[in-house]
Amino acid sequence: GAGVSQSPSNKVTEKGKDVELRCDPISGHTALYWYRQSLGQGLEFLIYFQGNSAPDKSGLPSDRFSAERTGGSVSTLTIQRTQQEDSAVYLCASSLVSGGRGYNEQFFGPGTRLTVL
Amino acid sequence: KNQVEQSPQSLIILEGKNCTLQCNYTVSPFSNLRWYKQDTGRGPVSLTIMTFSENTKSNGRYTATLDADTKQSSLHITASQLSDSASYICVVTNNYGQNFVFGPGTRLSVLP
Repeated sequence: GAGVSQSPSNKVTEKGKDVELRCDPISGHTALYWYRQSLGQGLEFLIYFQGNSAPDKSGLPSDRFSAERTGGSVSTLTIQRTQQEDSAVYLCASSLVSGGRGYNEQFFGPGTRLTVL
Repeated sequence: KNQVEQSPQSLIILEGKNCTLQCNYTVSPFSNLRWYKQDTGRGPVSLTIMTFSENTKSNGRYTATLDADTKQSSLHITASQLSDSASYICVVTNNYGQNFVFGPGTRLSVLP
C-alpha cells in the first residue's frame, strides 16, 4: 500500500506546550522507529518498537518525550512542555522485520517539522 | 564505540561531473551498510545495501563499494544530474540487525 505517512507536516508551538506527532507505518511492518534530525545534523535515534516487545527507549533525550504504538500500527510521539531546543524534524520509519541479521530496509516518512517559539 | 563518519561534509559539483562520497565506520560486529539519499524536506530513501561479502553494488548511476577490512565504503555518482542534489547518508547495521548507526551525511549540490 502507501508509504509511511506522518502528520502534521509542520507544527509551530509555543514553549511549554505539549505536542503530539503521528506516524502511520506501512501496513504489515512490525518495526517502527522515531528519529530526530536537527538542522544540518544527522539522524538521532529516539525510540524503537518491534511487535509486542517492550520498546527500546534508549534514545529519548528526556522524560518529556514519550511514544506509544497502538495495535501494533499507528504510533504517536508526545513531547511535553516543549523547549526551543526541541525544534527539529521528527522522522518516523518502519521496516518489515527487525532483529537477527538485519537486511531490513527502513522506509521513512516525510517527517514533521516542529518549531518551538 | 559504534560510529559512522562521512566526508566531505558538503560538496559542490557541476552537472555532468562525477563525484565520490566516503564513509568510514567502526560499527562491530558488522551486518550491512546502506546508502540513503535524502532530498530536502523528505525522508531518506535507500539507494544500495551491501553485506560483508559484497565489494561493489550499482543502482543506475550510483555505485557503492565496500572494503570490510578497512571498514570503508564509498558512493560514486556518475554523470551527475541536478536531481542528485541531496544529502547522502551512510548507515551501518550491527550484527544484531536492530542497531542502526547513522552517519552525519554529505550534502551534495549539483549546479548547472
